[in-house]
Amino acid sequence: QTVVTQEPSFSVSPGGTVTLTCGLSFGSVSTSNYPSWYQQTPGQAPRTLIYTTNSRSSGVPDRFSGSILGNKAALTITGAQADDESDYYCVLYMGGGNMIFGGGTKLTVL
Amino acid sequence: EVQLLESGGGLVQPGGSLRLSCAASGFTFSNYAMNWVRQAPGKGLEWVSTITDTAGGATFYADSVKGRFTVSRDMSQNTLYLQMTTLRADDTAVYYCARRKAYAFDVWGQGTMVTVSS
Repeated sequence: QTVVTQEPSFSVSPGGTVTLTCGLSFGSVSTSNYPSWYQQTPGQAPRTLIYTTNSRSSGVPDRFSGSILGNKAALTITGAQADDESDYYCVLYMGGGNMIFGGGTKLTVL
Repeated sequence: EVQLLESGGGLVQPGGSLRLSCAASGFTFSNYAMNWVRQAPGKGLEWVSTITDTAGGATFYADSVKGRFTVSRDMSQNTLYLQMTTLRADDTAVYYCARRKAYAFDVWGQGTMVTVSS
């Protein structure tokens, strides 16, 4: 069974840069998995940040960027702000209509 | 304004059934594939189902709900549905309706809570 892996937690200082990753239990993530990224704060619906690896969703500041780093998808946040403290989820398209979310990364800004 | 509004959640006994609805507005509903995504209390997001935008609407399901859940859409009513049967305690979650764009979810509803408990 394929598992999409994310760091359970990460910490960044205000103004700092952090890169969250999204991998596969078996194999490498590629652009053919169309990785996308979502931000969620408690009690709220997810907010779409990035789709098809590196396209920013409407209204998302350019502090958020997506890429493929090695064999994983990556979300980089530059100039971290207090309100970036959230849970971040990636999702990968696995073919045959199937999509799998990662377990999420809880980002702390302190 | 593009908007998705879920309804139909509630408390249901194990083995029971429930139908969720998602009313879409502000965009051409028939042009988009639509999805259901759920989140169990304190847990992460889980893709549940997709229905495509093509006539007839191809459907796809997560293994955890295959054979028990059915997704459908009414183009005339701009509404997405999720018929859930043989519900189990581990189906307890907030269910989100989401529009699909380029193998991603670009618009989300506010969610509706489903609790499966006796």
